[in-house]
Amino acid sequence: AQSVTQLGSHVSVSEGALVLLRCNYSSSVPPYLFWYVQYPNQGLQLLLKYTTGATLVKGINGFEAEFKKSETSFHLTKPSAHMSDAAEYFCAVSEKKTSYDKVIFGPGTSLSVIP
Amino acid sequence: GAVVSQHPSRVICKSGTSVKIECRSLDFQATTMFWYRQFPKKSLMLMATSNEGSKATYEQGVEKDKFLINHASLTLSTLTVTSAHPEDSSFYICSAPTGTSGSNEQFFGPGTRLTVL
Repeated sequence: AQSVTQLGSHVSVSEGALVLLRCNYSSSVPPYLFWYVQYPNQGLQLLLKYTTGATLVKGINGFEAEFKKSETSFHLTKPSAHMSDAAEYFCAVSEKKTSYDKVIFGPGTSLSVIP
Repeated sequence: GAVVSQHPSRVICKSGTSVKIECRSLDFQATTMFWYRQFPKKSLMLMATSNEGSKATYEQGVEKDKFLINHASLTLSTLTVTSAHPEDSSFYICSAPTGTSGSNEQFFGPGTRLTVL
């Protein structure tokens, strides 16, 4: 069965500092991995995804993540935090069964950016 | 990207009544849609997979008689919360995969905030 863990339910960084949000997954088959962002009372927006190929994935708003199979990790980073990055971030996994496989979400990490 | 809408965005109802939430794929067809429930400051919990033209598949622990799902067309799935109680108050989000590029990317609706008094 698939599962996702996110270390740190809340992360605070100063504006301009590095953002690092951790994600580890378990999957019985090579996974598809996703990072989503959610702003208050809104749906989810896809930041980036890993399917196959290059293990360093670049997404929107300057975020990137690296798939490390040996560590079963997919950590999200951004070199310089902006106030607008404050939001809830979810790592998610699905198995490469079909295009309609369900996605399992991690518990989420709330990111605060301090001026 | 693909667009998924939900209606209503907010609903307040009395305990014991039923509430219907619609999820529509606006610019693509979706034979499958997913319904999630999100508690405050919590993650999304998958409730069920909605399949066009067939019965929904419910996750373990989700009451199928309480949360009725109907996927009547390739662009519409509905979730009906029957005999709602205050503990059903939550944020309900639907999603639909586009099935393109083999990436299993899902597009999410904006969510429906249900408050049961």
